[in-house]
Amino acid sequence: GDSVTQMEGPVTLSEEAFLTINCTYTATGYPSLFWYVQYPGEGLQLLLKATKADDKGSNKGFEATYRKETTSFHLEKGSVQVSDSAVYFCALIGGATNKLIFGTGTLLAVQP
Amino acid sequence: DAGITQSPRHKVTETGTPVTLRCHQTENHRYMYWYRQDPGHGLRLIHYSYGVKDTDKGEVSDGYSVSRSKTEDFLLTLESATSSQTSVYFCAISSQGEYTEAFFGQGTRLTVV
Repeated sequence: GDSVTQMEGPVTLSEEAFLTINCTYTATGYPSLFWYVQYPGEGLQLLLKATKADDKGSNKGFEATYRKETTSFHLEKGSVQVSDSAVYFCALIGGATNKLIFGTGTLLAVQP
Repeated sequence: DAGITQSPRHKVTETGTPVTLRCHQTENHRYMYWYRQDPGHGLRLIHYSYGVKDTDKGEVSDGYSVSRSKTEDFLLTLESATSSQTSVYFCAISSQGEYTEAFFGQGTRLTVV
């Protein structure tokens, strides 16, 4: 069935470091791909999305490119800030069931 | 912000009592979902709906039932609450097609004592 795999955390970085959080997926057809962010004590916010191959989603300095050939949607940011500390979830819609399916989440901790 | 509202936001209930959580949307999206979030488990799908009166089970559906009698409302019912159902519950909505999008409600913190 459809699934999302993302790198385990926690990921600990110093401020202004480069961030990559890996996400790969398994799905039939052409799913849409998402990254969500959850700050402590809050709900999930849509960070960015891509709906077809080679699309690049971007928001707040974060980027992710839909790579169908490698079934990946890695999240990147060139220079992280302490305020980026949160849990990041990769997700997909579509494939066999049209369900919204999540990875397990990756905790990012940015130190000053 | 997407038009999705969960109620109540917080609830404390006793073991064995029925509890109903409500998710209301104003986006006219076809798909609606209920998830629970627990430490160490990420987000787990309880039930989802792909249209009025069309629902299906997720990975942790035991002890839960749902109903969707109109597009805008998706109700999650715990028939007889147990302490293992203490959790944060999130509703999500999605549309699919050319403008695929998916949004979450603010969550309901449920404590079963």
